[in-house]
Amino acid sequence: EAGVAQSPRYKIIEKRQSVAFWCNPISGHATLYWYQQILGQGPKLLIQFQNNGVVDDSQLPKDRFSAERLKGVDSTLKIQPAKLEDSAVYLCASSLAVLADEQFFGPGTRLTVL
Amino acid sequence: AQTVTQSQPEMSVQEAETVTLSCTYDTSENNYYLFWYKQPPSRQMILVIRQEAYKQQNATENRFSVNFQKAAKSFSLKISDSQLGDTAMYFCAFMKHVRNYGQNFVFGPGTRLSVLP
Repeated sequence: EAGVAQSPRYKIIEKRQSVAFWCNPISGHATLYWYQQILGQGPKLLIQFQNNGVVDDSQLPKDRFSAERLKGVDSTLKIQPAKLEDSAVYLCASSLAVLADEQFFGPGTRLTVL
Repeated sequence: AQTVTQSQPEMSVQEAETVTLSCTYDTSENNYYLFWYKQPPSRQMILVIRQEAYKQQNATENRFSVNFQKAAKSFSLKISDSQLGDTAMYFCAFMKHVRNYGQNFVFGPGTRLSVLP
C-alpha cells in the first residue's frame, strides 16, 4: 500500500513570496490533516478535512494560509505572503475514517523563509 | 483544551539498555486515545504504540510498552533492549473523537532519544 505522498520535499523562498504544498493521502482515506511542525516542537494542527469538507481550521492563520481538498482526494496548502516565522516542516497525514484512531504521516515539506 | 507535556527534551541510553520516556496530559474527557509516535532524523513519523483510555491493561508492542496511569494522567513509554535504530524524536499524542467533527489530536513537544553504541 502506498503511503502519504507530499511534494516538494524542500522549499526555500523569500519573505512575502507565495508557496504551495501538495499532499496525496493513502487511497480510501477520508480524513486529511495538515500540520505545522516548527523545529524542536511537536506538530500543530492547521486544518482537517473530512472528504472535501473542512471540519477544523481553528488554528489556520486565514489571513495568509489557505487549503483545499477538491474531489476529496489530494490537497494543497498555500501560504501567501510568507513570513519568516512560517519556516517549518509541513506535515500531511491521513486516516481511514472519522472514527479511525490512527493517522499515517507523509514525509513532510521543509519550508525555509529567508 | 487538552495539553500534552513531555518533560524530557533529550535523553540518551546505551545500546541494549532500557529507557523510559515520560508524558503527562491534561483533559476532562473520559474516553480518549493516547499514542507514541517516532520521528527518525529526516524521516517520516510512524506510530509506535497506542492505548485506549477505557482499557486498564497496558499496551505492548514487542520491545515497546507503556505505563498508563489514568488517574494520574500519565502515559510513559518504555523501550527495552534499545537499538541504534531507536534514535529519533518521540512524540506523545492525545486524541479524542468529536461527534460530527472527527478526531482531535494534540501532540507533545517531543523527546529526542539518542541510543549510544
